[in-house]
Amino acid sequence: EAGVVQSPRYKIIEKKQPVAFWCNPISGHNTLYWYRQNLGQGPELLIRYENEEAVDDSQLPKDRFSAERLKGVDSTLKIQPAELGDSAVYLCASSSPIGQTYEQYFGPGTRLTVT
Amino acid sequence: AQKVTQAQTEISVVEKEDVTLDCVYETRDTTYYLFWYKQPPSGELVFLIRRNSFDEQNEISGRYSWNFQKSTSSFNFTITASQVVDSAVYFCALSGTYNFNKFYFGSGTKLNVKP
Repeated sequence: EAGVVQSPRYKIIEKKQPVAFWCNPISGHNTLYWYRQNLGQGPELLIRYENEEAVDDSQLPKDRFSAERLKGVDSTLKIQPAELGDSAVYLCASSSPIGQTYEQYFGPGTRLTVT
Repeated sequence: AQKVTQAQTEISVVEKEDVTLDCVYETRDTTYYLFWYKQPPSGELVFLIRRNSFDEQNEISGRYSWNFQKSTSSFNFTITASQVVDSAVYFCALSGTYNFNKFYFGSGTKLNVKP
């Protein structure tokens, strides 16, 4: 079974530029998460989708961050404009409520460097 | 409020030594889940174990074992006979009654296993 796929793996941009990250969850997983992981810290949730609906976006900086999950499968996270403080690893995860086990499966992440 | 504390920032051991990674959690929920994840240098968080609050049995999986003690709000992870491949950052996470999909991660413990 294929895992969570993310692209790109690395991205270097100048501040004020836009950037987008893409995620393809595990097939059949209807819950998708975007996390941000700063250096030396644990992941912090940015947004959670149940199918196409964003059910928890309380930690998403909505002035510059946006996300979408069209058709309830792939998802894109966008930052516009990027700031120096946005440098981090952006992780995508997915889970399925089947069996109500709740564990989340993570992709390899996108390491963003803003210069 | 949910909180996970991993007080050990970094641990170094020599191969074949046993090592215990500590995790202390805070929650007011009576039902909750605890998780351990491994993050190797490649960046992808790998699910290791899930434990619900009603199951205090310790678990052993090969060289890995977990000790869950509600009395001390701890969920510690022991690696027996450590190997170089165990070198990674290990995260403990908590999710609570009102939203089992929302994970609260600790800051992680970096384990260095030297040959």
